[in-house]
Amino acid sequence: GAVVSQHPSRVICKSGTSVKIECRSLDFQATTMFWYRQFPKQSLMLMATSNEGSKATYEQGVEKDKFLINHASLTLSTLTVTSAHPEDSSFYICSAPSSREVSNHYGYTFGSGTRLTVV
Amino acid sequence: ILNVEQSPQSLHVQEGDSTNFTCSFPSSNFYALHWYRWETAKSPEALFVMTLNGDEKKKGRISATLNTKEGYSYLYIKGSQPEDSATYLCAFKSGGGADGLTFGKGTHLIIQP
Repeated sequence: GAVVSQHPSRVICKSGTSVKIECRSLDFQATTMFWYRQFPKQSLMLMATSNEGSKATYEQGVEKDKFLINHASLTLSTLTVTSAHPEDSSFYICSAPSSREVSNHYGYTFGSGTRLTVV
Repeated sequence: ILNVEQSPQSLHVQEGDSTNFTCSFPSSNFYALHWYRWETAKSPEALFVMTLNGDEKKKGRISATLNTKEGYSYLYIKGSQPEDSATYLCAFKSGGGADGLTFGKGTHLIIQP
């Protein structure tokens, strides 16, 4: 089945530094990638949608200059948390429709997530 | 803001017993309701994508029903096994475009041997 590989699974960084999270679709082409984050005891919240070859769209309240998204190929989307601060500590996870054509009748394949801790 | 609620938040079930839990979602602008099974340190695994009112889907011992008019879905597990222990997420999708999902907080299920 469709697989999305997400790295790193866990990262600790110092306040003020940047962290890059990668998501690769291994056996299918991901035209679209969704980025979510989850704070403790909260639900997964959509942050942004990246589309291959075009600018990402961000949900309300998500700073696009802080969370840089690049989707330069059909198999790789990256999220860079720039100038990270302790309040950015969270669980970040990516997801792509399991088909080249986005369809509501297909499940979405998820990465395994990245636990970011900013100290 | 779309509101997707799941209950209970957590559930302890004896091995062999059957169980069920609920997902409630907006009854307007419905397009699809997704169920996922999420084990710690793994990727969420798609269980069902439900689109039609009255739909019932089954995968082994797990089944789900959908009522779009009143805005709820039930997930049933028959004869629970320890390997069923996981967090079960439901997610709502409105519209047919390339939109993300709106998730509930999940039901954390623990099967006790």
